[in-house]
Amino acid sequence: QSVLTQPPSASGTPGQRVTISCSGSSSNIGSNTVNWYQQLPGTAPKLLIYRNNQRPSGVPDRFSGSKSGTSASLAISGLQSEDEADYYCAAWDDSLKEVFGGGTKLTVL
Amino acid sequence: QVQLVQSGAEVKKPGSSVKVSCKTSGGTFSNYAISWVRQAPGQGLEWMGGIIPIFGTANYAQKFQGRVMITTDESTSTASMELSSLTSEDTGVYYCARALSGFGELSPFDPWGQGTLVTVSS
Repeated sequence: QSVLTQPPSASGTPGQRVTISCSGSSSNIGSNTVNWYQQLPGTAPKLLIYRNNQRPSGVPDRFSGSKSGTSASLAISGLQSEDEADYYCAAWDDSLKEVFGGGTKLTVL
Repeated sequence: QVQLVQSGAEVKKPGSSVKVSCKTSGGTFSNYAISWVRQAPGQGLEWMGGIIPIFGTANYAQKFQGRVMITTDESTSTASMELSSLTSEDTGVYYCARALSGFGELSPFDPWGQGTLVTVSS
């Protein structure tokens, strides 16, 4: 059971906009920033969004993040086939550990 | 370009220990935290602990406390994670990951190592 809650799956067609939610509590998302990771099949995770809504260099602006209260969201616009991957949210918890969501498998139909 | 290169796959017997290394190149080592993240087969990501080399004291997730040790060797820019009393539930891919900034934060994680598969089987 993961500390942060994500839907196990999401899907969309090419060009569509998809959002993935991440729910936490006052001790993690409510008081710290949220990061998102993309894990393509068979590869290591990659930082996609950090500090709620910042994109590392090289990440397309099709990816965006937001946070409100104890929840966060990742939005992907102009969905492409190469976006098919697992997506994880993460945040620091005040119990002195990093916590992750269970991951959302995104399928591009 | 910072790169993290991990040691190779391991097969271990239940009850034994495993040590995985993570060599950093292309950037400053001492100021940037290194964390270890585990991924069981078909499962999600799980933070095990992290360390800032210049401080030398590791912070462990409660689940692994007493069974994991994270160390660093500044002379070789290498971090290591040793997990003891292995069971089949420890089978998975172990990743090291560096903190994005060197200002005392453990996360966010960027970049990541390529992962090391640890198989625990009798």
